[in-house]
Amino acid sequence: AQSVAQPEDQVNVAEGNPLTVKCTYSVSGNPYLFWYVQYPNRGLQFLLKYITGDNLVKGSYGFEAEFNKSQTSFHLKKPSALVSDSALYFCAGDSYQKVTFGIGTKLQVIP
Amino acid sequence: DARVTQTPRDKVTEMGQEVTMRCQPILGHNTVFWYRQTMMQGLELLAYFRNRAPLDDSGMPKDRFSAEMPDATLATLKIQPSEPRDSAVYFCASGWGLSTDTQYFGPGTRLTVL
Repeated sequence: AQSVAQPEDQVNVAEGNPLTVKCTYSVSGNPYLFWYVQYPNRGLQFLLKYITGDNLVKGSYGFEAEFNKSQTSFHLKKPSALVSDSALYFCAGDSYQKVTFGIGTKLQVIP
Repeated sequence: DARVTQTPRDKVTEMGQEVTMRCQPILGHNTVFWYRQTMMQGLELLAYFRNRAPLDDSGMPKDRFSAEMPDATLATLKIQPSEPRDSAVYFCASGWGLSTDTQYFGPGTRLTVL
C-alpha cells in the first residue's frame, strides 16, 4: 500500500516570511515524490520532484523540497512567500507506476 | 507550448442524462489519466491508459462510467446515466507513464448534475 498525507488543510503565512507545506509518505520500494500546485479554476501544475540523489530538490517559482527518509517526509518550502503563491498544493507519491495524491493544502499568503 | 486540452470546460445537465467529456493529450505522450476532484474526496484517480489500452479503472464506478481512447489523440470519459453525486471537476492528465515522470494536467471539466 502507498499513501501520502498532508496534515494541514490550510497554511497561513505573511508575505515575505518563509513558508512550509508539510507532506509525509508511506510507499513501498523507492519513493518518487512530487509537488503540484493548483490555482483557482486551473489544472494542477508540476513544481518539483524527488527521484534520487540530493535530498534538497529545487523547483519552479523559487520553491524547494527536502526529502527526509528517516522521517518519511517531503516538505515544500520557500524562503520568502509572495501573495501570488496563494493556491492549493498537492503532494504526490509514485511507486510501482501508480501515483497517489494527498488531499491538498491551501496556502494563504497574507499581504 | 504543448498543453492538454479538455472539452467542455463547463457542463450543466439534468439527472439521468448522458455526459461525455473529451481530452486531447500532449502529442507523443503514451499515458492518459482521468481524475475527479471534489471538496470532500480531494483528487481521485478514476482510470488510466497506456498506449490506448486501459491499465487500471478500479477507481471508476463501473455501472455508469466508461472511459475509452478511440485513438492516440482523444480520450473520452462518459457517464450514463448521470447523478447529482457525479458533480465534480474532472481532470485529464497525460505523460510518459513512468513512475519518475511528471503528469501534465488539462484545465478540467466542471460538471454539475441537477
